[in-house]
Amino acid sequence: QKEVEQDPGPLSVPEGAIVSLNCTYSNSAFQYFMWYRQYSRKGPELLMYTYSSGNKEDGRFTAQVDKSSKYISLFIRDSQPSDSATYLCAMRAGTYKYIFGTGTRLKVLA
Amino acid sequence: NAGVTQTPKFQVLKTGQSMTLQCAQDMNHNSMYWYRQDPGMGLRLIYYSASEGTTDKGEVPNGYNVSRLNKREFSLRLESAAPSQTSVYFCASSDRGNTEAFFGQGTRLTVV
Repeated sequence: QKEVEQDPGPLSVPEGAIVSLNCTYSNSAFQYFMWYRQYSRKGPELLMYTYSSGNKEDGRFTAQVDKSSKYISLFIRDSQPSDSATYLCAMRAGTYKYIFGTGTRLKVLA
Repeated sequence: NAGVTQTPKFQVLKTGQSMTLQCAQDMNHNSMYWYRQDPGMGLRLIYYSASEGTTDKGEVPNGYNVSRLNKREFSLRLESAAPSQTSVYFCASSDRGNTEAFFGQGTRLTVV
């Protein structure tokens, strides 16, 4: 069993839709959770991070952590074609060690 | 405002050849990392350097060596390339081990 599981997609939605991206994890010791966005043939860039449980909002993006279910989510409101990318979840497993999900490919159709 | 710069962007090697991937950052970060990204596997840490003068193995270090040349530069060497090392390689840096990592654009390596 992988430590972090993420549906690879692709997920296709119409412009303006609310998008929900999810990851599950197995290690209850994880406390620090991140979402990266990766455009095609580019490096990942950090979108949001949360510590422990709860929600964090930044513009159209909301990150949610449910530690009891070992489940994290990224919601994108009013999705735009420019949001089309691969979204990677990541969890800190040590000071210099991060476990990444395989990524979910999102397509927002104009 | 370059951030993390990797060279080359693309490379094709024959099995058994050697090469060095270069990485430089201009953010005065202490920590640097090398990852590989393969379909269905996510990003996996090869080596990291917590600070200038130190390097440590990550999850998949076999077949690779690294050098932290100075605070700015961190290189990854493949001594004898194998087809299993065909991948996209990303260099990243962060201020410390527990802060945001900034990634380079990647090097697409094919070993035939």
